[in-house]
Amino acid sequence: GQQVMQIPQYQHVQEGEDFTTYCNSSTTLSNIQWYKQRPGGHPVFLIQLVKSGEVKKQKRLTFQFGEAKKNSSLHITATQTTDVGTYFCAGGSGGSNYKLTFGKGTLLTVNP
Amino acid sequence: NAGVTQTPKFRILKIGQSMTLQCTQDMNHNYMYWYRQDPGMGLKLIYYSVGAGITDKGEVPNGYNVSRSTTEDFPLRLELAAPSQTSVYFCASSYSVGITEAFFGQGTRLTVV
Repeated sequence: GQQVMQIPQYQHVQEGEDFTTYCNSSTTLSNIQWYKQRPGGHPVFLIQLVKSGEVKKQKRLTFQFGEAKKNSSLHITATQTTDVGTYFCAGGSGGSNYKLTFGKGTLLTVNP
Repeated sequence: NAGVTQTPKFRILKIGQSMTLQCTQDMNHNYMYWYRQDPGMGLKLIYYSVGAGITDKGEVPNGYNVSRSTTEDFPLRLELAAPSQTSVYFCASSYSVGITEAFFGQGTRLTVV
């Protein structure tokens, strides 16, 4: 079945440093979504990318979808303590935008 | 709007017991899902539903059952609980077209002892 790999598993940064997490799929994706989960909380949707090569920005967050629609990345510029949490990518495939396969997530901790 | 509501928030079950995790959404979403989350393992899809009366297996359905008699409700049934079912369970719902953002409930932390 479809697999979605995400690296790194953990990342610890000093406040103000940048952070990037990468997502790779074993199959071509119809779309990729990113979620953030705060410790003890539930996943919260950040963004959905559907087009090959798509790049979207939300303030300090930049999301990219690869040309082959098999990989994606999330980059945070100048991290803040409020960025702490686990970031998950989730891919839809086989014509299904809704049945997602989640990566294992990257846990980001930020030292103030 | 309450969004997606799950009950209970916490539960301890003994091996062999059964229980139902409740999930209700008030956003008129056709699609609903049950995920389980184990530490460091991301979210695994247990069952999903594309509308009332329609359910299908996800990645890890063994030991679970679901039903979808209404658009709003999507309960998850655990029969004969086992320690391997200790996990955090999330219910979610989404639109079927456009941005298919999944709205998650607060989760149920289940321990089987």
